[in-house]
Amino acid sequence: AQSVAQPEDQVNVAEGNPLTVKCTYSVSGNPYLFWYVQYPNRGLQFLLKYITGDNLVKGSYGFEAEFNKSQTSFHLKKPSALVSDSALYFCAVKTGGGNKLTFGTGTQLKVEL
Amino acid sequence: DTAVSQTPKYLVTQMGNDKSIKCEQNLGHDTMYWYKQDSKKFLKIMFSYNNKELIINETVPNRFSPKSPDKAHLNLHINSLELGDSAVYFCASSQVGLANTGELFFGEGSRLTVL
Repeated sequence: AQSVAQPEDQVNVAEGNPLTVKCTYSVSGNPYLFWYVQYPNRGLQFLLKYITGDNLVKGSYGFEAEFNKSQTSFHLKKPSALVSDSALYFCAVKTGGGNKLTFGTGTQLKVEL
Repeated sequence: DTAVSQTPKYLVTQMGNDKSIKCEQNLGHDTMYWYKQDSKKFLKIMFSYNNKELIINETVPNRFSPKSPDKAHLNLHINSLELGDSAVYFCASSQVGLANTGELFFGEGSRLTVL
């Protein structure tokens, strides 16, 4: 079985400050890890992924995530938050060759002026 | 051009009715999915088709029946609608193969409200 946990329902950050959205995973075998973002009344959009290689992955809109195998984590980060980053963020995991992508429960990010 | 398109975007209906949601993708992908997002925003996979063949069928009531006439289309038919079926249903697609990395492309969602 594979699963992801997003321990925070909501994260509040002031604009210009760094942000972190946490994700831990559980999977048999090598994980493929993803972050998606959902804006209100929209579908999910792909942000970034870790498959193999460098543990620090850079994605869209200045976001990055760090794969930590020992801590089974894949936290999403951004050095300087924007109000427009406010959205619902989902972490997801699958195993190599598998078709099923399992999503976390989502973390609502709120960036305030 | 919209990559993954779903219709209708909104659907309000009475309990007991039968309704369908249609999905089309123009990305040339081999695999399509239906996900259900409930009122708490939890996202759960329902079905997946690869080249018109059902490959994932989660624990979903038999009232839900997907149909894939070709690899670019995946429709969802729901019989005898219940209050608990109210949710946003997302269609998605991905390219499956040795280089598959699982990146999904989502439609905008179809909000179903059962009264």
